[in-house]
Amino acid sequence: SAVISQKPSRDICQRGTSLTIQCQVDSQVTMMFWYRQQPGQSLTLIATANQGSEATYESGFVIDKFPISRPNLTFSTLTVSNMSPEDSSIYLCSVEVSAQQYFGPGTRLTVT
Amino acid sequence: AQSVSQHNHHVILSEAASLELGCNYSYGGTVNLFWYVQYPGQHLQLLLKYFSGDPLVKGIKGFEAEFIKSKFSFNLRKPSVQWSDTAEYFCAVFISSGSARQLTFGSGTQLTVLP
Repeated sequence: SAVISQKPSRDICQRGTSLTIQCQVDSQVTMMFWYRQQPGQSLTLIATANQGSEATYESGFVIDKFPISRPNLTFSTLTVSNMSPEDSSIYLCSVEVSAQQYFGPGTRLTVT
Repeated sequence: AQSVSQHNHHVILSEAASLELGCNYSYGGTVNLFWYVQYPGQHLQLLLKYFSGDPLVKGIKGFEAEFIKSKFSFNLRKPSVQWSDTAEYFCAVFISSGSARQLTFGSGTQLTVLP
């Protein structure tokens, strides 16, 4: 299993600013994932982050908007850049252990 | 690309009623299947999973799901729901193909149980 923490748990940000979300795992994992859950909707995968390589982004998501760092096997960050109200969402970090994914508590972002 | 369909967007039941939530996926290869639950104000929790073996899997809180490969389905069931089962339920399919590994979620089903 894996225990995941995220910081911050929530934030209210102004349009045009950027927010970096941190994800910490209690064990070393190869694959980390970042998801978005917009209000009333399901989870959408933003990108997959492997340590030592560039993140792989899903269709509709680009590195300039959502830069990701993966400096080691227990940590990753997701930055939401140049925010607009449409970025208001819950952002979740997830890791895969033995073909099962575990999720962090999420970061609730509100952009005003 | 694979997809996951949950046919019921919102289900309303009275306590003690039986529950079945549908989940279908589109992928012809080997899959791992999951149901996650999200209680109000809480984060996602794993309800149950299927990797291989007995297609009828039992999860926490009295939930079970049956994998029917011929129907590409993994429906969630509970014989008698409780008010505390009010939550959103997500079906998810994990596919590992070559170097690609991805978990795809359904759109979710909001379950409301009336006391």
